Amino acid sequence: KQEVTQIPAALSVPEGENLVLNCSFTDSAIYNLQWFRQDPGKGLTSLLLIQSSQREQTSGRLNASLDKSSGRSTLYIAASQPGDSATYLCAVREYGNNRLAFGKGNQVVVIP
Amino acid sequence: NAGVTQTPKFQVLKTGQSMTLQCAQDMNHNSMYWYRQDPGMGLRLIYYSASEGTTDKGEVPNGYNVSRLNKREFSLRLESAAPSQTSVYFCASTKGFVSGSSYNEQFFGPGTRLTVL
Repeated sequence: KQEVTQIPAALSVPEGENLVLNCSFTDSAIYNLQWFRQDPGKGLTSLLLIQSSQREQTSGRLNASLDKSSGRSTLYIAASQPGDSATYLCAVREYGNNRLAFGKGNQVVVIP
Repeated sequence: NAGVTQTPKFQVLKTGQSMTLQCAQDMNHNSMYWYRQDPGMGLRLIYYSASEGTTDKGEVPNGYNVSRLNKREFSLRLESAAPSQTSVYFCASTKGFVSGSSYNEQFFGPGTRLTVL
């Protein structure tokens, strides 16, 4: 069974610092990996989708990398802002499976 | 486009009552999903529908039923609610599944917060 882990569960950074969030998964046979943002009391917003053949994806201040062989993905958020405070979740879609396996998230607080 | 919409936003039930959670998407997506989110447990898949006319069990299907009413709508029914079903329920959809394609990107609704007393 695919296990997705996000460590640490919670972190705080001062405004302006770069954020680095890590996601690891146990089975490297994946189709893709998706990063989401969740604000308190809200649904999940898709941030980036990385296909298994890709090494990274970028959107504005966000950059996500994927190392399938080592079962790792990293989400970088440049020059963090208080508005980046949220929970970030990663999810992987396995081969032969129409489902996503989710990590439990990194809860981020950006301190002004 | 409204994306994925869910009704109701909040609901309080008594043990044994039944209710249906509604979900609709206007993105012409083929696949739809129901998840529950609980503190410390993360998101868990209840049921999904890969395409209109099909449904399959996910990780935690006990106590739930689903109906894929048409391509747009996917409902989740609790026949006899239990306190263990107190949770936040999310509906999601994807255009379909094509290896190596952005079709696989999953979009979520705003959630239904359900309390069973």
